[in-house]
Amino acid sequence: AQTVTQSQPEMSVQEAETVTLSCTYDTSESDYYLFWYKQPPSRQMILVIRQEAYKQQNATENRFSVNFQKAAKSFSLKISDSQLGDAAMYFCARAQGGSEKLVFGKGTKLTVNP
Amino acid sequence: DAGVIQSPRHEVTEMGQEVTLRCKPISGHNSLFWYRQTMMRGLELLIYFNNNVPIDDSGMPEDRFSAKMPNASFSTLKIQPSEPRDSAVYFCASSLGRQETQYFGPGTRLLVL
Repeated sequence: AQTVTQSQPEMSVQEAETVTLSCTYDTSESDYYLFWYKQPPSRQMILVIRQEAYKQQNATENRFSVNFQKAAKSFSLKISDSQLGDAAMYFCARAQGGSEKLVFGKGTKLTVNP
Repeated sequence: DAGVIQSPRHEVTEMGQEVTLRCKPISGHNSLFWYRQTMMRGLELLIYFNNNVPIDDSGMPEDRFSAKMPNASFSTLKIQPSEPRDSAVYFCASSLGRQETQYFGPGTRLLVL
């Protein structure tokens, strides 16, 4: 089975600091999409950022950016100037080529310390 | 614009009872997904529809689960009979199509006693 692996079950960061969440994936396809979703205690799944595999430029959304290393099959999320509201579970996901199925990692719980 | 709407938000039922979860996708979205989230298995895709047609139901755990999408604005996920191991959060999501971003509803927390 093609998998998505998040090797850090938990991470913590001081407010205003920077943190990087890791994600690796397994695929034999060249065309696919990658996503980071945030799940705060409310349980709502919120899209943070997406990356198209054919794009070499790393995606950014305000304080959130990714480091996409296609050859290494790595897709890490960097959160700059961390805020208390960033505390949540973060899930990495990959859309399989030719399908609409999203495969999710197990998640990383991020704690932001004041 | 309204997001994905799910009802009920919470459901508590007894083993053996029928449970029906409902979802209204974002207007104009062509694809609809049902996911289940548990501590043990994480987020799993149960089934997805494209233009109201079931495309992949390989994630549906067994015959006790069924899903329908009678029109573009409504879908149901039914469990009959329910069992305690079905306790989970069930999410509905919708998207514009293949490899487009999926937008999630708030989820239904199901507890089967």
